[in-house]
Amino acid sequence: EVQLVESGGGLVQPGRSLRLSCAASGFTFDHYAMHWVRQAAGKGLEWVSSISWNSATIAYADSVKGRFTISRDNAKNSLYLQMNSLRAEDTALYYCAKDIEGGNSGVLVYWGQGTLVTVSS
Amino acid sequence: EIVLTQSPGTLSLSPGERATLSCRASQSVSRSYLAWYQQKPGQAPRLLIYGASSRATGIPDRFSGSGSGTDFTLIISRLEPEDFAVYYCQQYDSSPRTFGQGTKVEIK
Repeated sequence: EVQLVESGGGLVQPGRSLRLSCAASGFTFDHYAMHWVRQAAGKGLEWVSSISWNSATIAYADSVKGRFTISRDNAKNSLYLQMNSLRAEDTALYYCAKDIEGGNSGVLVYWGQGTLVTVSS
Repeated sequence: EIVLTQSPGTLSLSPGERATLSCRASQSVSRSYLAWYQQKPGQAPRLLIYGASSRATGIPDRFSGSGSGTDFTLIISRLEPEDFAVYYCQQYDSSPRTFGQGTKVEIK
């Protein structure tokens, strides 16, 4: 069974940093691209970032470019999102999602339950 | 950036009725790289349809997708109680991947 478990969320002050993690199991992690998607309370879905199976192809939403860094450790079956210079508008539930293929198709076939990030002073 | 506009915002229907959801793109989505997701309250989204019309694994055949270019449709042929939820379309033709704002299917 595919499992994606996010962690690392919490309350952080504006301008500070936070690192999210996603632990993957139940599939061959290094065969698939991975994504981060966020959802503010009561709002829709916003794609944040993606990384191909071998980290060769990485993409970011304009809203986070230059502030967030996606990475993965295939030996640890883990995905990460380093978030710097956090803003109030980054407050959201952050989902880790598995792509349908390794090359970053963008089809999000499995999702974790999310980790909540709150940016507030 | 491709902007996706979903309509209607809310669809009020009864179990057993047919639901028709629309997703319109601001520019052509080539190769029909359009997906649909279902999200229930307190749950993560679930992939329903990709490639505009291909059902994901385990998705009942009452869900069907169609369309190409800039106009796409998700049809739920006969609503079951568990189908009342919010539905999002998403394009993966270009970066950034973008989602529509969602259509809520509620019980009438």
